Formats: sequence, C-alpha cells, structure tokens
Amino acid sequence: SQTIHQWPATLVQPVGSPLSLECTVEGTSNPNLYWYRQAAGRGLQLLFYSVGIGQISSEVPQNLSASRPQDRQFILSSKKLLLSDSGFYLCASEYRDKGSPLHFGNGTRLTVT
Amino acid sequence: EDQVTQSPEALRLQEGESSSLNCSYTVSGLRGLFWYRQDPGKGPEFLFTLYSAGEEKEKERLKATLTKKESFLHITAPKPEDSATYLCAVLANNAGNMLTFGGGTRLMVKP
Repeated sequence: SQTIHQWPATLVQPVGSPLSLECTVEGTSNPNLYWYRQAAGRGLQLLFYSVGIGQISSEVPQNLSASRPQDRQFILSSKKLLLSDSGFYLCASEYRDKGSPLHFGNGTRLTVT
Repeated sequence: EDQVTQSPEALRLQEGESSSLNCSYTVSGLRGLFWYRQDPGKGPEFLFTLYSAGEEKEKERLKATLTKKESFLHITAPKPEDSATYLCAVLANNAGNMLTFGGGTRLMVKP
C-alpha cells in the first residue's frame, strides 16, 4: 500500500514570505498526485494535479504553484504568501487505475499572519 | 456541473444509537462514489468505493449503500471512537480523475 509523507505538519508564515511544502510518496510508482486545500468546516478544493514528472495542471488561478521534479515528489510553492493562503493543505496520491481511491497524507496546517 | 451534498452537517449520537449519513449527488454519469473518514488535524482515510446502484460495502460498524441519486453511510451501535468527519466524493465519467467532494458530516458519539 502507498504512504504519503507531508512536511511540515504546521507552519506559521508572515504575509509576503515564500512557501514550500513537500510531499513524497512510497509504495507505488508513477502515481497521479494532487494538492488540495481544506478551509475550516468546508470541503476539499483541488488546487493542482500531476500525471507525471514536470506535468502540472491547475484547477484554480491563485497565488500558488506546484512542481513535480521526481516521480514521487510533489511540491507546492508560493513566492509571496497572502492572508487568504491560510488553510489545511493535503497531498494525495492514486494508482493509475481508473476509479482507484485517493490516499491522503496528514496535511500541513498553514497560518499566514 | 457535478454536485455532492452531505447531510446533516453535524450529528450527535449516544453510544449505541444507530443512524445514517446521507450523500446526495448529481453527476452526468457516475464512475465511482467514495467514502472517507477524517479525524481532526489529519488527512482523510479511505473507507469504501461504490460503483453501481444496489452495491453495498461493510467494515466493522459501517455499511455504505448506493442508489442512483444518493449514498448512505449506516453506523450501527456507534462507539466514541467513531467520532470523526465523514466525507463523500464522486468521480464522474466526464471528469477525468477529478473527484468532487461534499462538505462532510461531523459525527460526535457520546459515551
């Protein structure tokens, strides 16, 4: 089974500072990878997904970007954080079989002050 | 546009008091419906996948069922450790691999 590692678990950053969140996956190769954001008491919003190295699709125009430098590494970045970037960020992975479930990491709680 | 609505938003039960959570969906064609459990400060944990109307899946005190318009997560004789937020998500035929999530039901089971 696959395991998704995310770090850091919590992060407090000032407005205007850069951001880098990392996600690595074990137990599978060539997965589809996803970044979601979850606001308090709300559902999951898809931010980015990737079907392979260097291949990134964005679902929502925003202050964030994503990169996939290796098969099982997915990075979420920002050059300058906004207050509205605060939230719970989740990385997810899935096997390439259609209809296979997403598996999530334990998330990063980002607070922009 | 694909839509998923979960109800109720929050549910308080006494230990042993069975109940059901609802997930209503509107999609152009359902490829799969997924149930997840999420504990506070953690990522969602996969529970079940349902693919066609009439299908049922069980795991311990949980049973998920599916019709053409909705899914139910039945919780039989819940325990305090079943307290969590339960998320429903659908995968539509025309959505590639993109899931549409509901807002979740927050379940609290009191001893």
